[in-house]
Amino acid sequence: DAKTTQPPSMDCAEGRAANLPCNHSTISGNEYVYWYRQIHSQGPQYIIHGLKNNETNEMASLIITEDRKSSTLILPHATLRDTAVYYCIVRVAFSTGTASKLTFGTGTRLQVTL
Amino acid sequence: NAGVTQTPKFRILKIGQSMTLQCAQDMNHNYMYWYRQDPGMGLKLIYYSVGAGITDKGEVPNGYNVSRSTTEDFPLRLELAAPSQTSVYFCASSQGGHGYTFGSGTRLTVV
Repeated sequence: DAKTTQPPSMDCAEGRAANLPCNHSTISGNEYVYWYRQIHSQGPQYIIHGLKNNETNEMASLIITEDRKSSTLILPHATLRDTAVYYCIVRVAFSTGTASKLTFGTGTRLQVTL
Repeated sequence: NAGVTQTPKFRILKIGQSMTLQCAQDMNHNYMYWYRQDPGMGLKLIYYSVGAGITDKGEVPNGYNVSRSTTEDFPLRLELAAPSQTSVYFCASSQGGHGYTFGSGTRLTVV
């Protein structure tokens, strides 16, 4: 699986958009970009994933550059409850019979402030 | 739906003791995983299972054992606890696809 690079920490004012970058310059054509977050000491929580097109769900938007070498997770209106460590993970597509193992790095610690 | 349930939530072990960390899921997921997370670090995969009766090693399997006799349960066994195994342990499950569901973790201290 391709390596990812994220800034160690970011701040964001409550109500503003939080834009979390991720570099994955060695990504292969069959590798997806996943985002998870970990609030305090809880188990990680799935946020969103994408292959090449931009994706949006009720939690966030994922913007992937055309060359797929980087992506940005956007929380449109950050709240204090979005304070967490955000992990960007790149891995091959799941196939039946094989485990969809995820490799977590150290992520970006997002601090949302008043 | 309880999701993924881990017990106990906290445990203190003495060096050389043994224990089993329990993990159960009620989503009928075939795939289950054990991760550990040391302070300030990301999660590292210990063992995983693609179905009942099938397990395989992850990145850091030494000092641990697993079994998967049913779809629902995936216990993690520590035979001879060492201080290096002080960590937070997370169990997760998935049904292929893209989303993992994690448990709330077991915080283990070995003294």
